[in-house]
Amino acid sequence: GAGVSQSPSNKVTEKGKDVELRCDPISGHTALYWYRQRLGQGLEFLIYFQGNSAPDKSGLPSDRFSAERTGESVSTLTIQRTQQEDSAVYLCASSLGGRHEPQHFGDGTRLSIL
Amino acid sequence: QKEVEQDPGPLSVPEGAIVSLNCTYSNSAFQYFMWYRQYSRKGPELLMYTYSSGNKEDGRFTAQVDKSSKYISLFIRDSQPSDSATYLCAMSGGNKLTFGTGTQLKVEL
Repeated sequence: GAGVSQSPSNKVTEKGKDVELRCDPISGHTALYWYRQRLGQGLEFLIYFQGNSAPDKSGLPSDRFSAERTGESVSTLTIQRTQQEDSAVYLCASSLGGRHEPQHFGDGTRLSIL
Repeated sequence: QKEVEQDPGPLSVPEGAIVSLNCTYSNSAFQYFMWYRQYSRKGPELLMYTYSSGNKEDGRFTAQVDKSSKYISLFIRDSQPSDSATYLCAMSGGNKLTFGTGTQLKVEL
């Protein structure tokens, strides 16, 4: 079946612009996660959605970052007024629900801020 | 100190070798342990998922968890060039999944 789908696969933008990244989770997966992966570093948790519960935003690095999810479907991660340190791969994962369920990842969006 | 420590490598081995990849952790609340494989420009792919201490085998892969030592391992038998990738350990204690930085593995012909 279809896996986690992310778009765009690559994004190059100028410093100060806003960007919006999209994630389509696996059908039936109630939990959705966003991570950031900087070059040579591990995955950094950003935000977690579970069903209709309030999202866990504890990993968002600043108020320039926000994310939304409609029900149990698509999620968008928005970065406002981008900075060069925002350059990274942004990965989305989904799972059946519950923090202990294995997470399945998309191939990410490679974001480059000029 | 990071919650999860993983040697970044790179680790280079000849084809057919047994590979041992390891992570140590400091948070005793971690109960669920995973290994992911990540090819260049791809997302992490789940390889192994374990809960308790002990061994779990799946084909050429064996995951080992020692909670008393806070140490987990992934063994790859009969390694192949197609195993060349970055291997990430991950663990969960109920709040979020915490990842190691990954070990880059290269299996040479």
